[in-house]
Amino acid sequence: GAGVSQSPSNKVTEKGKDVELRCDPISGHTALYWYRQRLGQGLEFLIYFQGNSAPDKSGLPSDRFSAERTGESVSTLTIQRTQQEDSAVYLCASSLESVRGYGYTFGSGTRLTVV
Amino acid sequence: GQNIDQPTEMTATEGAIVQINCTYQTSGFNGLFWYQQHAGEAPTFLSYNVLDGLEEKGRFSSFLSRSKGYSYLLLKELQMKDSASYLCAVRSMGFQKLVFGTGTRLLVSP
Repeated sequence: GAGVSQSPSNKVTEKGKDVELRCDPISGHTALYWYRQRLGQGLEFLIYFQGNSAPDKSGLPSDRFSAERTGESVSTLTIQRTQQEDSAVYLCASSLESVRGYGYTFGSGTRLTVV
Repeated sequence: GQNIDQPTEMTATEGAIVQINCTYQTSGFNGLFWYQQHAGEAPTFLSYNVLDGLEEKGRFSSFLSRSKGYSYLLLKELQMKDSASYLCAVRSMGFQKLVFGTGTRLLVSP
């Protein structure tokens, strides 16, 4: 597609339930990133995928968080046993890593509210 | 690790010029990015600096001094639509991910 697509745009879930967030990157973009943005705060790196390389998971806050990517296409971020502190906007971005100065293109995000 | 500092909030008047500063500490600098984020929307790419100096793009310019760990974003002829948060982000050598500062909220008044 023309841009990075994320779904759902909004998700309200009960504490303790699992949620799955989806990201469709721009076609041909080899790199894909997940970030979290809590209300009024900056972007917090979660995980990075680049082609067939092992993902950089260094930002995942706990083992309740996991992510997968199929080749160079769709990625899903899964949060198990959600907690209220997981409430945030989850942003996905993709980029052409072969072009060093090419910025990320972000999706519109998924606003997650844990009640 | 990396540390990025920006002012939390700034105000300016329509038609004026504003400079948003960003200081950073990182091991192995490999590029600095500026993004604009309107409330409730995704960040959009504004500029990229990897060498010292000024990069100009219309009303927006970005400056970098690697020896000082310092960058600024200069916005000229401010318009009401420039009211947004401006995020500074740094990439380190060997890492592809960007580390973002907390952002500077700019309010442009008439």
